[in-house]
Amino acid sequence: DQQVKQNSPSLSVQEGRISILNCDYTNSMFDYFLWYKKYPAEGPTFLISISSIKDKNEDGRFTVFLNKSAKHLSLHIVPSQPGDSAVYFCAASDQNYGQNFVFGPGTRLSVLP
Amino acid sequence: DTAVSQTPKYLVTQMGNDKSIKCEQNLGHDTMYWYKQDSKKFLKIMFSYNNKELIINETVPNRFSPKSPDKAHLNLHINSLELGDSAVYFCASSQDANGAGELFFGEGSRLTVL
Repeated sequence: DQQVKQNSPSLSVQEGRISILNCDYTNSMFDYFLWYKKYPAEGPTFLISISSIKDKNEDGRFTVFLNKSAKHLSLHIVPSQPGDSAVYFCAASDQNYGQNFVFGPGTRLSVLP
Repeated sequence: DTAVSQTPKYLVTQMGNDKSIKCEQNLGHDTMYWYKQDSKKFLKIMFSYNNKELIINETVPNRFSPKSPDKAHLNLHINSLELGDSAVYFCASSQDANGAGELFFGEGSRLTVL
């Protein structure tokens, strides 16, 4: 059973436009969420996180939105740059169980110049 | 200077062999993990160690045995390799095992079993 879903395997966006990557989860006990970015032949690197006590967290061009009632979060990248082209993983955890993060399958973002 | 390093990066071996993947972190973190990225690209946790003690042990065949000689190292030994073990294995570390915090990943070790 997939507790964390990223239903778009890929996304293409023009440089300078907004990229919106979506993530849905099924476990209502999840209370901490992270986004990771992965380039080919490298490990995932941390991008941004959000706790369930917030509905938005911003870091530069990256903003994560959390809708707890819909069990949905999204990552917005504005403006998108060619260097943002990578696979983006959403991860979720129930902090009562420590760092047992559950990852989604990832979305491949291509930012076209 | 790589924060989380794992070796080898590529490993091709025959079914039935025994192999190990090593992982070291120089971040001073207390907790280390092994994740497997399967054919559907899901990253699934296999094991987690905190200060050399096993704290997470997901449903993994007992052919997989983690070993943590000290808190900076977590090695993964796999016995009697099977075709389905082919995957990319990622080592990761975090500051502690509780509460929020990010994971720092190694570059991954691609295992191919023929």
